[in-house]
This record gives sequence, C-alpha cells and structure tokens, in this order.
Amino acid sequence: GAGVSQSPRYKVAKRGQDVALRCDPISGHVSLFWYQQALGQGPEFLTYFQNEAQLDKSGLPSDRFFAERPEGSVSTLKIQRTQQEDSAVYLCASSIARPPYEQYFGPGTRLTVT
Amino acid sequence: EDKVVQSPLSLVVHEGDTVTLNCSYEVTNFRSLLWYKQEKKAPTFLFMLTSSGIEKKSGRLSSILDKKELFSILNITATQTGDSAIYLCAVPGGADGLTFGKGTHLIIQP
Repeated sequence: GAGVSQSPRYKVAKRGQDVALRCDPISGHVSLFWYQQALGQGPEFLTYFQNEAQLDKSGLPSDRFFAERPEGSVSTLKIQRTQQEDSAVYLCASSIARPPYEQYFGPGTRLTVT
Repeated sequence: EDKVVQSPLSLVVHEGDTVTLNCSYEVTNFRSLLWYKQEKKAPTFLFMLTSSGIEKKSGRLSSILDKKELFSILNITATQTGDSAIYLCAVPGGADGLTFGKGTHLIIQP
C-alpha cells in the first residue's frame, strides 16, 4: 500500500477487556515498530520486529502487552485486561531496514479505556 | 539511558516569522537524528541527519546537526498557518526504536 495503515482508528474498551490493534506496514518494509503516545508527550517505544522476529520488546509496559508479526508483514498488538492507564494513541511505524533508515508512521489507534 | 530534550515546548508566532526549534540529545551510539511533524494524526517524516554540519533543506524548512555539541536545530522561514503542528525530534536508541523528545508545539497566528 501507499503508507502504513492501522485499524481500528478508535477503540473504546471497558476496563478488563482485551483489545487487538492491527498494523499493515508499507509493502517490503523489513522493520516494524510499535509506539505508545500519551497526551502531550512524544511517542514511546514499545517493541520492534525485523521480519517475523521480535528483536526487542523492552518497551512493553507489562506482561499484559503482547505483539506478533507471524508472517513478517501485518502485526498485531494485543493488550489483555485493559487498564485506564493504557489509554493512549498506539502508533505503528515501518522502515525499509534497520536504523538509521527513516521510519514511516501510521495514523494510530486511539484507545480509550473506561 | 538515551535522552532527547526539545525547546521551547511551545511557541506562538505570526505568519511570516522565522522560527528555530531546538533539540539536544544524549545517546550511547549515535547513528542519526530525525525530525517529524505531527498534526492531528501520524508523525510525518521531515529530515534525517547523520553528518555534522551538513544542512538538509526542503522548501522553507531546513535542519542542521552538530555532533560535537549534541544538538540539532530545525528552521522554518516565512511561516504559514499550515506549519502549525507539533515538531518531534528523535534518535534511534540501543533498542533500534526511536527515543523522542516531548515535541515543540508551534502555533502560527494569521
């Protein structure tokens, strides 16, 4: 596709529910990143895939957060038993290769936990 | 720990003014510095800088990196209302993910 796409664009979940956020990277991009952006803050790194391999998950805030990219293309970020502090915009980015190549971002999924 | 500090955090100017946004960084293994513009949704890529002292330019926007002093500036000349946005500076950290600053919220008044 022309750019990174994410779905859904908006998600409202009741506390305790599980959610799944999807990212379709730019075709051919090897690297895929997930970020969390709280209001008024810059994005914060969550996890990184190179093809299907999750090379870094040091930014995932708790074991309720899980990400996968089984075929090296589409990725899913899953949050189990959502909490109010999980409310944020979740951004996905892809890059043609490992840094220092530039990352291109999707529009994000705004998650609100009530 | 990698760190990016941007200043000012917010800035209000009039259309036609020139603005300079600042970004200082601390990173264990410097590879590049990136600037993004964020309006209501996705950050959009502006520049990537890897070499010190070489200006990158795109229309009214330009950026330069000083690797000795560990900072970069983003200049916007002849500002327009469409330049209103949050400008983010970022560096790849040890984990390959980007470490972002908090951003500069720029407002251009007509």
